[in-house]
Amino acid sequence: NAGVTQTPKFQVLKTGQSMTLQCAQDMNHNSMYWYRQDPGMGLRLIYYSASEGTTDKGEVPNGYNVSRLNKREFSLRLESAAPSQTSVYFCASSVTVNTEAFFGQGTRLTVV
Amino acid sequence: DQQVKQNSPSLSVQEGRISILNCDYTNSMFDYFLWYKKYPAEGPTFLISISSIKDKNEDGRFTVFLNKSAKHLSLHIVPSQPGDSAVYFCAASANQAGTALIFGKGTTLSVSS
Repeated sequence: NAGVTQTPKFQVLKTGQSMTLQCAQDMNHNSMYWYRQDPGMGLRLIYYSASEGTTDKGEVPNGYNVSRLNKREFSLRLESAAPSQTSVYFCASSVTVNTEAFFGQGTRLTVV
Repeated sequence: DQQVKQNSPSLSVQEGRISILNCDYTNSMFDYFLWYKKYPAEGPTFLISISSIKDKNEDGRFTVFLNKSAKHLSLHIVPSQPGDSAVYFCAASANQAGTALIFGKGTTLSVSS
């Protein structure tokens, strides 16, 4: 059972480049999330999707876009990467929006 | 403004002793609270949760206490083991608002043998 799978695991981008982080879950969960973790800042919510077809902003949405492609997949897009977006990104999913979330292994992104 | 606060960035405990990790929250709408554990280079893993209708929940060596009037919860680990050394995150959500989990900044626990 794979759980939550994120790709890629590591990425280096130049300032201004774009990229999409992919996330897929095989637990038939309704809700999916994107968080970023920075030193001393904990886990901050970027965007979430309470159910297929809906997306909502979290605490730090600026500079990001998301797509809930289907029930399994939730992608995060950086249109024009900035050094401030250097972080570890975690995707998570849960049965519903206020139940325990299960996390992927993370994507370490560096923007130079 | 931080809605979930973990004011102690780190905690050091000896093996076999009790570890107490604290968390405060400001949003009175929060009604479900969770603790996560995170090892380096891994994703956070769910540890234990508590609903606002309870004041205590226990699972093996882990117990979470909730004091709604003080908007405070704590995680007790007894006895502490070296393998418990990790970052612990407190999280909260509001059922009626339908919002996602909001996390604190985390507390790094070090258990020495």
